[in-house]
Amino acid sequence: DAKTTQPPSMDCAEGRAANLPCNHSTISGNEYVYWYRQIHSQGPQYIIHGLKNNETNEMASLIITEDRKSSTLILPHATLRDTAVYYCIVRSNNAGNMLTFGGGTRLMVKP
Amino acid sequence: DGGITQSPKYLFRKEGQNVTLSCEQNLNHDAMYWYRQDPGQGLRLIYYSQIVNDFQKGDIAEGYSVSREKKESFPLTVTSAQKNPTAFYLCASRRDHSAGELFFGEGSRLTVL
Repeated sequence: DAKTTQPPSMDCAEGRAANLPCNHSTISGNEYVYWYRQIHSQGPQYIIHGLKNNETNEMASLIITEDRKSSTLILPHATLRDTAVYYCIVRSNNAGNMLTFGGGTRLMVKP
Repeated sequence: DGGITQSPKYLFRKEGQNVTLSCEQNLNHDAMYWYRQDPGQGLRLIYYSQIVNDFQKGDIAEGYSVSREKKESFPLTVTSAQKNPTAFYLCASRRDHSAGELFFGEGSRLTVL
């Protein structure tokens, strides 16, 4: 699976958009980009995933660059409850491939 | 409601004792996983099971054992051979091993005294 690089931490003001970047320059054509988040002392929660088109759901938007070497998770109106560690993972859907959780980005939403 | 239930949430044990962490899911998922998380770190895979009566070692299986006798249950035993068992343990399941998102339980925090 392709390796991802995320900033270790970010701050965001409450009510503003939080834009979390992820670099995955070695991504291959059949690998999806997944985003999860983990609120302190809880299990990770699935947010969104995509292959090459931009995706949006009730939680967030995922913007994937045309060359697929990077992506951005957007929380449009961050709240204090969005404070968490956000993990960007790339993985193909072939049997035997695992979801590997690295260090992630610790997002702190401030009032 | 469908989901994954881990128990106990907190567990204290003396060094040298085996402990078993429970993981039950009612999502009818084929694949189940155990991860370990240390403070400030990401998740590391201990064991996974793609189907009933089958399981595979992950990246850090030494000192752990699992069973998958029923589709809905995937218990993890932390044995006395695990050198540093104090950690946060997370169980997850997935529709099948090749696709779909992971659904996680709330975790079990094991402290060995």
